[in-house]
Amino acid sequence: GENVEQHPSTLSVQEGDSAVIKCTYSDSASNYFPWYKQELGKGPQLIIDIRSNVGEKKDQRIAVTLNKTAKHFSLHITETQPEDSAVYFCAASKGNYGQNFVFGPGTRLSVLP
Amino acid sequence: DVKVTQSSRYLVKRTGEKVFLECVQDMDHENMFWYRQDPGLGLRLIYFSYDVKMKEKGDIPEGYSVSREKKERFSLILESASTNQTSMYLCASSWQGSKQYFGPGTRLTVT
Repeated sequence: GENVEQHPSTLSVQEGDSAVIKCTYSDSASNYFPWYKQELGKGPQLIIDIRSNVGEKKDQRIAVTLNKTAKHFSLHITETQPEDSAVYFCAASKGNYGQNFVFGPGTRLSVLP
Repeated sequence: DVKVTQSSRYLVKRTGEKVFLECVQDMDHENMFWYRQDPGLGLRLIYFSYDVKMKEKGDIPEGYSVSREKKERFSLILESASTNQTSMYLCASSWQGSKQYFGPGTRLTVT
């Protein structure tokens, strides 16, 4: 089955710097790659997603890139702010119903003021 | 805004008790999911449902069952709670093939 790895497990950056989180997946049939942000005491919230027919997607300070050949995708956050501090999860999916969502183990991002 | 609610934020139960976790969504989503979240393991799918009275096993269904009698409600049942079921439980819903919306989670402790 699908296996999703995520690195690093923890990341500390200074406010204003950029942060990059990388994920790799194993199943070449996966075609949907969402990123979720989970703040303390809350459920995960979708922040950006990308489908396999697109190489890059950007939404303000957040961007995701996908390399299908290498089977990896990355989350880029620019001009980080303290409120970006959270746990970030990547996922890979190929199912019509979403049942094949496989999540990475998560990255704890700390933005230091 | 999509709203997914879970019946309890914190729950403490004893070993052997029957436990019900309830989830309700208000967006008429076909699909609903139950995950458990453990440190270092990410989110693991327990069960999902793509229609009323329909259910499919996820990656870790052992020790759990589910019920979906109405479209908006999806229940997770621990028939006989055990200490290794102490975890954070997350419910999610989605339209077919689309993004999943999560509830706030229920932190269950089994003593």
